[in-house]
Amino acid sequence: GAVVSQHPSWVICKSGTSVKIECRSLDFQATTMFWYRQFPKQSLMLMATSNEGSKATYEQGVEKDKFLINHASLTLSTLTVTSAHPEDSSFYICSAPTRGGTEAFFGQGTRLTVV
Amino acid sequence: DAKTTQPTSMDCAEGRAANLPCNHSTISGNEYVYWYRQIHSQGPQYIIHGLKNNETNEMASLIITEDRKSSTLILPHATLRDTAVYYCIVRVAVGGAQKLVFGQGTRLTINP
Repeated sequence: GAVVSQHPSWVICKSGTSVKIECRSLDFQATTMFWYRQFPKQSLMLMATSNEGSKATYEQGVEKDKFLINHASLTLSTLTVTSAHPEDSSFYICSAPTRGGTEAFFGQGTRLTVV
Repeated sequence: DAKTTQPTSMDCAEGRAANLPCNHSTISGNEYVYWYRQIHSQGPQYIIHGLKNNETNEMASLIITEDRKSSTLILPHATLRDTAVYYCIVRVAVGGAQKLVFGQGTRLTINP
């Protein structure tokens, strides 16, 4: 089946630094990818829609200048958390729907801890 | 906002059928019902989806009421590895791509 891979699985960074998370569709092309954030004991919250070759679409309340999204190819989207702070510590998950398909596949998630 | 409501938690004995309900009373005629589950600290896993007919695959069965206002996910022989949070989602289409909006889900615990 289709596979979506995220890297890294976990990262610890210092406050004020930036962290890049990669999301790859391994055996299919994804013109659209979605980025979610999940705090402990809470559900997934959609942050933004990543569109290949164009600007991402952000959900209300998500700072686009803080969470930079780049979707430079049909198999790779990146999320960069800029000037990270402890409150940005969370589980970040990407998703990619198969083209014309009925399923969306999720990456394994990236646990970010900002110290 | 999620368009579904689910019980917060459920328990089921190992080997028995686990029946997880979901209400989606405002579902539109062209919207599908999707079920995903999330095992602790992992990304969600697709289980099954349906429009109006009942569906079955190797993981589960999905029963959708005739008025489509509710559905039930059935895990026929639950195992300890089925312990997870189960999400019922009504798909919102975005230019053909699937924008999945998650509700709070049901935390299913399978007991030995």
